[in-house]
Amino acid sequence: GAVVSQHPSRVICKSGTSVKIECRSLDFQATTMFWYRQFPKQSLMLMATSNEGSKATYEQGVEKDKFLINHASLTLSTLTVTSAHPEDSSFYICSALVGIWTDTQYFGPGTRLTVL
Amino acid sequence: QKEVEQNSGPLSVPEGAIASLNCTYSDRGSQSFFWYRQYSGKSPELIMFIYSNGDKEDGRFTAQLNKASQYVSLLIRDSQPSDSATYLCAVDTMNRDDKIIFGKGTRLHILP
Repeated sequence: GAVVSQHPSRVICKSGTSVKIECRSLDFQATTMFWYRQFPKQSLMLMATSNEGSKATYEQGVEKDKFLINHASLTLSTLTVTSAHPEDSSFYICSALVGIWTDTQYFGPGTRLTVL
Repeated sequence: QKEVEQNSGPLSVPEGAIASLNCTYSDRGSQSFFWYRQYSGKSPELIMFIYSNGDKEDGRFTAQLNKASQYVSLLIRDSQPSDSATYLCAVDTMNRDDKIIFGKGTRLHILP
């Protein structure tokens, strides 16, 4: 149980394009999902908390107009990197809480974004 | 003081020995503690969580929590080469709206 999927696993795009990453909870409903980014040999950096049916809560320094998050259902959250630039190249990972009375996170497999 | 601190390593341990990974945290109000394993290029995978002082065992893994010393550790018995990975300690923190804060991770290398 507690399987989280992400799609796509890898994406290469040109500078200026927008990229959408999907995060799905496959065998449970996730009221809360999180989006992280991770640079090589660095730790996870929380970007935002995504709650179903409400606006995402962004961490300080994360541009909400650049990283659009939509959590329209209990099994799907999406992250759209708008007008991507080379500095946005990173490993983006989502995670989900199983239920509302837990703080145990299960991670998706991640999406490696390369912006040329 | 950083919220969650780990030695970055690498920690080299001979195959079959016990690997000991340590983590300290700054928020005395923390209640939930997690260990994740992350292989290079992959996302983190939950190994164990612990909420109460003392030891919690799961197979070859034992998590140890000492809230008085603000210290949580992970022991891996009978280390295998497949245990070579980065181990992330994660702690909830009341100071940050109960968010889970991750340490930078300790790289563990099991020597065959």
